[in-house]
Amino acid sequence: DGGITQSPKYLFRKEGQNVTLSCEQNLNHDAMYWYRQDPGQGLRLIYYSQIVNDFQKGDIAEGYSVSREKKESFPLTVTSAQKNPTAFYLCASSIGGRRNQPQHFGDGTRLSIL
Amino acid sequence: AQRVTQPEKLLSVFKGAPVELKCNYSYSGSPELFWYVQYSRQRLQLLLRHISRESIKGFTADLNKGETSFHLKKPFAQEEDSAMYYCALFMDSNYQLIWGAGTKLIIKP
Repeated sequence: DGGITQSPKYLFRKEGQNVTLSCEQNLNHDAMYWYRQDPGQGLRLIYYSQIVNDFQKGDIAEGYSVSREKKESFPLTVTSAQKNPTAFYLCASSIGGRRNQPQHFGDGTRLSIL
Repeated sequence: AQRVTQPEKLLSVFKGAPVELKCNYSYSGSPELFWYVQYSRQRLQLLLRHISRESIKGFTADLNKGETSFHLKKPFAQEEDSAMYYCALFMDSNYQLIWGAGTKLIIKP
């Protein structure tokens, strides 16, 4: 189906461990986003990037870090500082910079604590 | 404060009945609103956007600025409409979307 690829599909984290979630897109989109999805809470923005080598914190950035070294890639690291990391994580991309451009989503990564 | 509210967590209707999923927003600027849908075992995807004024899969949504609403409607529900539906508001200040909590729609046979 292409577009946005997230890996792995399932991920387990031990106490004190950092884990990295991968997000790759082949849509040539400038903007990329990471969301956290918890039951009954909709999507909450963790980090976003409008252009390569630049990114901004979203509403719930504490305990997370990102990088945007390539246009196609926007990996998310869940650090040990994130005390409640169990959630479903969604990556998205869009053309960016325009009001009516939709976001395209990956299949998500489900992170659990061991 | 900017906000999107979907008051119903769950909506269950019979096949062939009309469907209305509610979405209310709070925004000081000119709103740009979207409906996204997530079918079982599929990724979240755009259903429709108010700027297009289109009907997708029989669904329509009209922006009512007076009532600050963007309700999603379909006159005759089908079983394949069962899914999770999210309303989202575009923020001009930072080009981000604010999301509602979502409504799970179940169409009973």
